This record gives sequence, structure tokens and C-alpha cells, in this order.
Amino acid sequence: QSALTQPASVSGSPGQSITISCTGTSSDVAGYNYVSWYQQHPGKAPKLMIYDVSNRPSGVSNRFSGSKSGNTASLTISGLQAEDEADYYCSSYTSSSTVVFGGGTKLTVL
Amino acid sequence: EVQLVESGGGLVQPGGSLRLSCAASGFTVSSNYISWVRQAPGKGLEWVSVIYSGGSTYYADSVKGRFTISRDSSKNMLYLQMNSLRAEDTAVYYCAKTVGATHIDYWGQGTLVTVSS
Repeated sequence: QSALTQPASVSGSPGQSITISCTGTSSDVAGYNYVSWYQQHPGKAPKLMIYDVSNRPSGVSNRFSGSKSGNTASLTISGLQAEDEADYYCSSYTSSSTVVFGGGTKLTVL
Repeated sequence: EVQLVESGGGLVQPGGSLRLSCAASGFTVSSNYISWVRQAPGKGLEWVSVIYSGGSTYYADSVKGRFTISRDSSKNMLYLQMNSLRAEDTAVYYCAKTVGATHIDYWGQGTLVTVSS
């Protein structure tokens, strides 16, 4: 159950777009369309932003989008805003009926 | 409104035991998938365990054989029994309503477990 691989940090200026990658294996990301993305602000519980690769829960801005190609999933945030500054985690269902998270990516809005 | 409230965290010595509780409201625990996820201080999220609506349970390798997830349908409560605790189990533990075992749509506020002598 190795963690999914995410970049430790990404940054962008307000209004720009950024993409966070999440790399797994054939036993998780590549094997299922069950990749999720969570946003976590300091001291707060995580919040679901994307599920099943590209679906947005009700209430989540359409500036957030998800995709997947092979064993790599991606979260794209367009029109970057100051409030988007947070930690982002991907997760995937696995062939062992477990879930694995990525190591997390700190997004800095410059 | 869906709410999850964890309790039972605290300071415990290495090798000790602790039972976390999660009080659910706004939905029925026994009809849903519920997970425990933890986060060590300053670290990332780590999935711990899940209990399916049908009663099947699954665990991360790091806790298998030491932790047990269970539920009480009459009280609409979820539990995590943690035995043989180690320093590396120190973390905030979140109870989380899970959809189809694949993603979490509601999280509790978390309860801190500290394993230290």
C-alpha cells in the first residue's frame, strides 16, 4: 500500500491555472475510475473536491476539474483565487478493497 | 444534516489500548460505508479502515491485526478499537462517511491520539 505520488508543492498567481498530478499503479489509479481529490485548509477537516476522477460534488466551484490518463490522475484549478491556497490530496480505491492517499501537495497562491 | 463527532482520543503509553467513538447523525451508520482516516502532526492523510454497509471490514497494512473497526446500529455509532499502540500511531483520527468505499463526502472534526511514554 504505497502512497500515491504527488508533487510536494505547486504555486501560481491569481487568475492563472495550475495542475496537480497524482501517480499510482495498475492496482489503484490505472485500475479504477475511483480517484478523488480533497482540499484541506490548516486546522480543518478535508473537503471533497472531485470524485470518480472528474465529478464535482454539489457546491464545488467549476474552476476545479479532474482527469486521468493511465496511472496518473490530475487536478486542475483554473482562475486561481487566494482562497484556493491549501493542501490537496488525491486518493484512489485499490485492488485490495482499501484506499490509498497521495502524500499531499501544498498550493501557494502568489 | 449529516454530522460526525469523534471522541475518545488522548494520551496513551506505547503498547496500550484506546477506543475511539464516532457519533453519527443525519444518516444511518449501518446503511453506509464508514471509514477512519488519520493524519500525523504536520503530515499527510493516511487511510486506516473501512466498514461496509454489509459488515465487511478492511484495514491498512500498518494497523492490520492491531485495530478493529465496528459499529452499533442501535446507537448509530462507529468505533475504532486500537491495541498495541505505537508512537507512529500518533495522529488526529477522522471518522468519515464514505460513498461506495471510494470517496468521502463527510468528515468529522477529528480526535487526537498521542502515543508517548
